[in-house]
Amino acid sequence: DTGVSQDPRHKITKRGQNVTFRCDPISEHNRLYWYRQTLGQGPEFLTYFQNEAQLEKSRLLSDRFSAERPKGSFSTLEIQRTEQGDSAMYLCASLSGGSTDTQYFGPGTRLTVL
Amino acid sequence: GDSVTQMEGPVTLSEEAFLTINCTYTATGYPSLFWYVQYPGEGLQLLLKATKADDKGSNKGFEATYRKETTSFHLEKGSVQVSDSAVYFCASSGNTPLVFGKGTRLSVIA
Repeated sequence: DTGVSQDPRHKITKRGQNVTFRCDPISEHNRLYWYRQTLGQGPEFLTYFQNEAQLEKSRLLSDRFSAERPKGSFSTLEIQRTEQGDSAMYLCASLSGGSTDTQYFGPGTRLTVL
Repeated sequence: GDSVTQMEGPVTLSEEAFLTINCTYTATGYPSLFWYVQYPGEGLQLLLKATKADDKGSNKGFEATYRKETTSFHLEKGSVQVSDSAVYFCASSGNTPLVFGKGTRLSVIA
């Protein structure tokens, strides 16, 4: 069972640096979601793709954030000029386009901005 | 917009005690409802779900019933184990991205 994978699992960076995270969804899933989870909170939606099209973006996704899914398979989330407030767990989830509405989550990438 | 409210933790129980974690939602239409569990250092795992009113989701001894009249989806387990210690998230999805509650941390002591 190849579930959702994310890389890296942990990232420590200095303020002002750029970081990029990768998500590989379950292979037959055409929808891919990014969420952010801060300490003591539930995940909050950032953006979502159907195949390669980015269909929705949250107001949380500032212009320093950009996400891509160029071939409709894996996705990347880039944060430019990181700030300490970006420290969080970044979660990726995928969903089949069929009848099920269950999102399956990856293990997350924990970002620490010093 | 849609929202989910769940009881605040932490909740500490002795092994074999009865567990209830309350969850209520506000949504336009009739969303699907979920409980996810997050064990220390891990991602979210789906625990159970219900897609329409009066449906009961169940898994690993946990149950939750979709109550449209009270807009609730309370999580219950008759006898908790130490291994159930985790953070539990209630979530709703009405053909939109998931909306999560803040999570309830459960600690079960032997």
